[in-house]
Amino acid sequence: RKEVEQDPGPFNVPEGATVAFNCTYSNSASQSFFWYRQDCRKEPKLLMSVYSSGNEDGRFTAQLNRASQYISLLIRDSKLSDSATYLCVGLAGGFKTIFGAGTRLFVKA
Amino acid sequence: EAQVTQNPRYLITVTGKKLTVTCSQNMNHEYMSWYRQDPGLGLRQIYYSMNVEVTDKGDVPEGYKVSRKEKRNFPLILESPSPNQTSLYFCASSWTGNYGYTFGSGTRLTVV
Repeated sequence: RKEVEQDPGPFNVPEGATVAFNCTYSNSASQSFFWYRQDCRKEPKLLMSVYSSGNEDGRFTAQLNRASQYISLLIRDSKLSDSATYLCVGLAGGFKTIFGAGTRLFVKA
Repeated sequence: EAQVTQNPRYLITVTGKKLTVTCSQNMNHEYMSWYRQDPGLGLRQIYYSMNVEVTDKGDVPEGYKVSRKEKRNFPLILESPSPNQTSLYFCASSWTGNYGYTFGSGTRLTVV
């Protein structure tokens, strides 16, 4: 089993839709989690950090459920510019970072 | 401008010819890391460094070396590249390991 697993998608949604991604992790000792956004052939860019209390930034909300060992990302009012691959990342002991393989999102007009 | 700079952006080389990919950051970050990205496998950590002269293996360190002699630089060395090291490589840095990383623009390496 991969340490961090994501549904690869793709998710195809219309503009204005609300879309949610989940990510599960297997290492219960993982302390910190992040969501990154990656556009095709470009570097990942930090979207949000995720802590136990969750995090909200504009149209984006991230939640952490330690009991079920998953994190989620909710995007409200999707824009065409939200089309990208979203990467879930866990920070394991010793500062190793474990990336999920990513979920592709296509937002269509 | 705060950034992580990798060079070269593209490199085609032959099997066995030693190469170095440079990485430099101007944010005074303590943590730096190297990743490779392959289709279907996502990003995998090769090596990371917590500070000058402190490095540790990630998930896929075989065939790679790193050094951290200065805080700003973290070069990735392939002593004898092989075709299975053909990949997209990213360098990244962070204030501490508990914060998100800033990534460089990537180096696309092809080993023939």
